Amino acid sequence: GQNIDQPTEMTATEGAIVQINCTYQTSGFNGLFWYQQHAGEAPTFLSYNVLDGLEEKGRFSSFLSRSKGYSYLLLKELQMKDSASYLCAVRDPTSGTYKYIFGTGTRLKVLA
Amino acid sequence: SQTIHQWPATLVQPVGSPLSLECTVEGTSNPNLYWYRQAAGRGLQLLFYSVGIGQISSEVPQNLSASRPQDRQFILSSKKLLLSDSGFYLCAWGGQYNEQFFGPGTRLTVL
Repeated sequence: GQNIDQPTEMTATEGAIVQINCTYQTSGFNGLFWYQQHAGEAPTFLSYNVLDGLEEKGRFSSFLSRSKGYSYLLLKELQMKDSASYLCAVRDPTSGTYKYIFGTGTRLKVLA
Repeated sequence: SQTIHQWPATLVQPVGSPLSLECTVEGTSNPNLYWYRQAAGRGLQLLFYSVGIGQISSEVPQNLSASRPQDRQFILSSKKLLLSDSGFYLCAWGGQYNEQFFGPGTRLTVL
């Protein structure tokens, strides 16, 4: 079956570092994506991994291990505006075109 | 640059009424387009996707339908809404890496 698991909620302090984990089991794999979604708004694209390793983009980094079906999103120097839900999604090409399977998201609360 | 529009932003409809949500994309041609629904406390559920005019793939059997009458227009419809159709409806298009760029969404409440 198709399954993506993320923790439901995390709390961290302003200025700290937080790691949000994502594990996946899908029929096929052609990329893992992270999105940020503030309450009441649409998700916005953060990062994309298709090969194993770390991708860094400013304060945000994303890691992928395809053999373990595992990814994490690392947020450094947390700011209050980082309070949001973070969605992990896998692109599954087994249908012949690109379908995306989303996790339910991790709600991150950043405390002052 | 590419822009995606959705309307209306919010909608309150009675059970059994029809629905039409519209999505248009600017700044790109022949995009892959997607409709998602996000129900309270649940993940994004892919409803439909389209790789071209008149080409619609349905992911979840239900009382919704989609159409793509023009290259950059994607419409979500229903003849009779159910209570379970309430949710946040998002249109998206696929970028360079087929990452999803989402429109602002329509929040639908069915009473």
